[in-house]
Amino acid sequence: GENVEQHPSTLSVQEGDSAVIKCTYSDSASNYFPWYKQELGKRPQLIIDIRSNVGEKKDQRIAVTLNKTAKHFSLHITETQPEDSAVHFCEASRGGGNKLTFGTGTQLKVEL
Amino acid sequence: GAGVSQSPSNKVTEKGKDVELRCDPISGHTALYWYRQSLGQGLEFLIYFQGNSAPDKSGLPSDRFSAERTGGSVSTLTIQRTQQEDSAVYLCASSLGPTPDTIYFGEGSWLTVV
Repeated sequence: GENVEQHPSTLSVQEGDSAVIKCTYSDSASNYFPWYKQELGKRPQLIIDIRSNVGEKKDQRIAVTLNKTAKHFSLHITETQPEDSAVHFCEASRGGGNKLTFGTGTQLKVEL
Repeated sequence: GAGVSQSPSNKVTEKGKDVELRCDPISGHTALYWYRQSLGQGLEFLIYFQGNSAPDKSGLPSDRFSAERTGGSVSTLTIQRTQQEDSAVYLCASSLGPTPDTIYFGEGSWLTVV
């Protein structure tokens, strides 16, 4: 089955700096790679996703890059703000009816 | 409904008791997932339902855990003879179809076994 590793487990940045979180996956057939944000005591919510037919996707301050050859994908947050502070999870799946495999999460803290 | 609804939001039970956790997915969503999240930990897959297909039960940790989905909508996760290590947040999620459709999580059911 799929195995997803996520690094770092914790990340502290100063407000306005950039943050990068990386995930690697094992199943070369995986083709869908979303990122979720979970604020303390809240439900995880999708913030951005990418499919295997593209290498990068951007939505305002958030971007995701995918390297299928190396089997890794990354979340990039620019101009970080305090409200970015949360646990961020990556996920990889084949699509078409399979269980979802999540990374172990990154606790992002944006300091003033 | 507006989102995925779970009940109860909090449950404290004595070791050895059975508990039932309920999930109401978004109307029309065919895929339903159960995950477990221990304090400060990641998302552990439990079970996945897709339409009328046989569920993927490969994540259920023991035979004390079972889940069903009646009429392709509401799902119930049952834990028999609860143990302290079962204490966690149980998250349900649904999506319109199988991935890569976006999944939506419920608020979770926080289970504490004392």
